[in-house]
Amino acid sequence: DIVMTQTPLSLSVAIGQSASISCKSSQSLKYSDGKTYLNWVFQSPGQSPKRLIYQVSKLDSGVPDRFSGTGSETDFTLKISRVEAEDLGVYYCCQGSYSPRTFGGGTKLELK
Amino acid sequence: EVQLVETGGSLVQPGKSLKLTCATSGFTFSNAWMHWVRQSPEKQLEWVAQIKAKSNNYATYYAESVKGRFTISRDDSKSSVYLQMNSLKEEDTAIYYCTTWAFDYWGQGVMVTVSS
Repeated sequence: DIVMTQTPLSLSVAIGQSASISCKSSQSLKYSDGKTYLNWVFQSPGQSPKRLIYQVSKLDSGVPDRFSGTGSETDFTLKISRVEAEDLGVYYCCQGSYSPRTFGGGTKLELK
Repeated sequence: EVQLVETGGSLVQPGKSLKLTCATSGFTFSNAWMHWVRQSPEKQLEWVAQIKAKSNNYATYYAESVKGRFTISRDDSKSSVYLQMNSLKEEDTAIYYCTTWAFDYWGQGVMVTVSS
């Protein structure tokens, strides 16, 4: 199984600051069709997960452009510029390139 | 609007069975591949099972941790996907979510607690 490793485990930021989360996979997520199926999923307290970014860098509808995703092969990064209160919660990376699908352990974004 | 609504969660004793239902609307369910994903009390997300569409012969896939005990199925006429869980263990305690193939839509989740 592909292991997804996220760092840091938690991140304290002030409103308006930027935040960066790393996700590393144990093998390349580039699929045979040339696409890389790396998603970022966000879960606010008490809510179900919600996908923010798919295929490394494509923002889902309604996701503010303060969010951006970069990376390739095995190294990926989620960046949030100008953090807002509604961004506080847990972020997970997950791969959809290979079965079984696997998730990172999550990064909790907290208020400083 | 896409909606996924899970039902069927409960408190059950180890060794017992439970069936979860995910009723969907707002998209062409018959063409959709669907997953069940669970979230442990420690908040770790774990993929559980996947079912493909009729055109893929309803192929199914399972996590090793549930293989042989859980069965995913679907009823395209009801736009619903199911998870039959047998021989439940305490470590199956989690919130169970159904999601679409690319994890783009999630239900609100349903709690399953396995305890004596």
